[in-house]
Amino acid sequence: DAGVTQSPTHLIKTRGQQVTLRCSPKSGHDTVSWYQQALGQGPQFIFQYYEEEERQRGNFPDRFSGHQFPNYSSELNVNALLLGDSALYLCASSTTVMNTEAFFGQGTRLTVV
Amino acid sequence: AQSVTQLGSHVSVSEGALVLLRCNYSSSVPPYLFWYVQYPNQGLQLLLKYTSAATLVKGINGFEAEFKKSETSFHLTKPSAHMSDAAEYFCAVRGDTGGFKTIFGAGTRLFVKA
Repeated sequence: DAGVTQSPTHLIKTRGQQVTLRCSPKSGHDTVSWYQQALGQGPQFIFQYYEEEERQRGNFPDRFSGHQFPNYSSELNVNALLLGDSALYLCASSTTVMNTEAFFGQGTRLTVV
Repeated sequence: AQSVTQLGSHVSVSEGALVLLRCNYSSSVPPYLFWYVQYPNQGLQLLLKYTSAATLVKGINGFEAEFKKSETSFHLTKPSAHMSDAAEYFCAVRGDTGGFKTIFGAGTRLFVKA
């Protein structure tokens, strides 16, 4: 079992550019959540996808958008990048069974310059 | 709305000493609670979880946590710290009737002194 895989591992972008991050969930998982973790902080919930739809959203602007594909993989898109978007972006996969934990990928380190 | 508060952003212990990391939660429904560990530049790894079966939960690497509903707490302990325990620890809650998201605390960095 490959677990949760994210790509790329590191990325450097310029302010104003757009970025796409990718995530493949753990086998058997149908729900994907994205988190932003700034340096020295806990993961902040961005949004969650289930059945190819955004089900819940955290307090993030519309510049953050996503997609889930029929094979449950997911993308996170960020438009008009700001310096403050620099962070570790974590993908977590889970099921809708509430007493089960989320499994995390290694994250994508995004640096905006 | 659910939330998690971790008391103490940094905790320092000597090798062999007791580790105690504090977590309090807020939830309008019976919660599912988790402790994760994060090593530098890595994702989060599950240490243990509470799913209402038993209030004392044992996890990996000798860690355990006790769910106390009256205190809304889920503190993490380990009897004897090891140098390899130095990492960032996150308490998390899941159980919002409105969805399936997991909410994290701000984290506690554990330092272990030789």
